[in-house]
Amino acid sequence: NAGVTQTPKFQVLKTGQSMTLQCAQDMNHNSMYWYRQDPGMGLRLIYYSASEGTTDKGEVPNGYNVSRLNKREFSLRLESAAPSQTSVYFCASSEWGEANYGYTFGSGTRLTVV
Amino acid sequence: DQQVKQNSPSLSVQEGRISILNCDYTNSMFDYFLWYKKYPAEGPTFLISISSIKDKNEDGRFTVFLNKSAKHLSLHIVPSQPGDSAVYFCAASAGAGGTSYGKLTFGQGTILTVHP
Repeated sequence: NAGVTQTPKFQVLKTGQSMTLQCAQDMNHNSMYWYRQDPGMGLRLIYYSASEGTTDKGEVPNGYNVSRLNKREFSLRLESAAPSQTSVYFCASSEWGEANYGYTFGSGTRLTVV
Repeated sequence: DQQVKQNSPSLSVQEGRISILNCDYTNSMFDYFLWYKKYPAEGPTFLISISSIKDKNEDGRFTVFLNKSAKHLSLHIVPSQPGDSAVYFCAASAGAGGTSYGKLTFGQGTILTVHP
């Protein structure tokens, strides 16, 4: 089925460990996004990529890095995980500038940092 | 600074009745508004949207109303069904199609429970 695929679905890290969250979309969308969801905070934008070859910071970028590997793939890296990064992470894609068509979200990665 | 706010963390309604979910925003540059629905262990899914040039948009049981002067939008679900039980997020975009790159700002979410 067409959509956004995120891996892994669950992960437990120790403080200081690193990991990369993977995201791939097969809808030929130009734009891709990483959000985190925390209780009472809604969805907050970490980083986005308006098109292949470009990335930019969102609302809460500290502690994260991203790579837009190609048009399909957009990865999120935690270099040194902290308990404050315990969250559910969602990747999304959309047509460039066409927020009115809505995002397509992946099913999320639940990350726990102990 | 929360630019999009959903002040009701939860809402409980009886099956068949109307559900009204509310959302307020502060950024005057927002010109497109969307509602997303999220079930547990799934990603949010797009539900309905409205442009700032309109004040109402309907799609089946779902209607979104926009009051630009009050910077307020609401989602009406009539009649409510148990399958509507989910978290609902409102979201806003400034300059869709332009330099905003389609970035969405989300509210905190409202948990809707529809009782049979």
